[in-house]
Amino acid sequence: SQQGEEDPQALSIQEGENATMNCSYKTSINNLQWYRQNSGRGLVHLILIRSNEREKHSGRLRVTLDTSKKSSSLLITASRAADTASYFCALNSGNTPLVFGKGTRLSVIA
Amino acid sequence: DTEVTQTPKHLVMGMTNKKSLKCEQHMGHRAMYWYKQKAKKPPELMFVYSYEKLSINESVPSRFSPECPNSSLLNLHLHALQPEDSALYLCASSLFREQAEAFFGQGTRLTVV
Repeated sequence: SQQGEEDPQALSIQEGENATMNCSYKTSINNLQWYRQNSGRGLVHLILIRSNEREKHSGRLRVTLDTSKKSSSLLITASRAADTASYFCALNSGNTPLVFGKGTRLSVIA
Repeated sequence: DTEVTQTPKHLVMGMTNKKSLKCEQHMGHRAMYWYKQKAKKPPELMFVYSYEKLSINESVPSRFSPECPNSSLLNLHLHALQPEDSALYLCASSLFREQAEAFFGQGTRLTVV
């Protein structure tokens, strides 16, 4: 099963700025999901985007999916210190369970 | 109830000990998962149960033994672990094995001494 590749590996921004992280993959998917993990605890599901969708919003989160480029982006607008966490994309392909990418570590500085 | 509950939160065990990790969900999910996560790494899938049957074992050593007593409970029995098995063990569940979002527990931080 394939693994997404997040970019950048680490990102440091000021509070109030936007944060963008990307996920690339190699084969076809059914859906792509984004998760957040604070301080090595459990992962929290943020957004699921299906392969026939191009964009989804949830609060300050915006996810795009470009299946022709096999890539997705997660945009967090007006970031807050509480957004500091690791963000993972996870791929769902066919009959396989979720496979997580290596993650982006986001630091939001107050 | 949208929680996955894992116990214990922390566990320190010797290499000759036998211990168990427990996971519980009451969301009616029919798929449950064990993941292992080392520091600064992504979660790695260990086992998948679907409708209380083991459907995926990602070549995990036999010193890890999963058990699904019923649709709400998932256990991971540990025996003769090695120090390199120290990690965060995450349980998750989803409505079905495919295509659904996963709900994670807070994990068990395991240290093998």
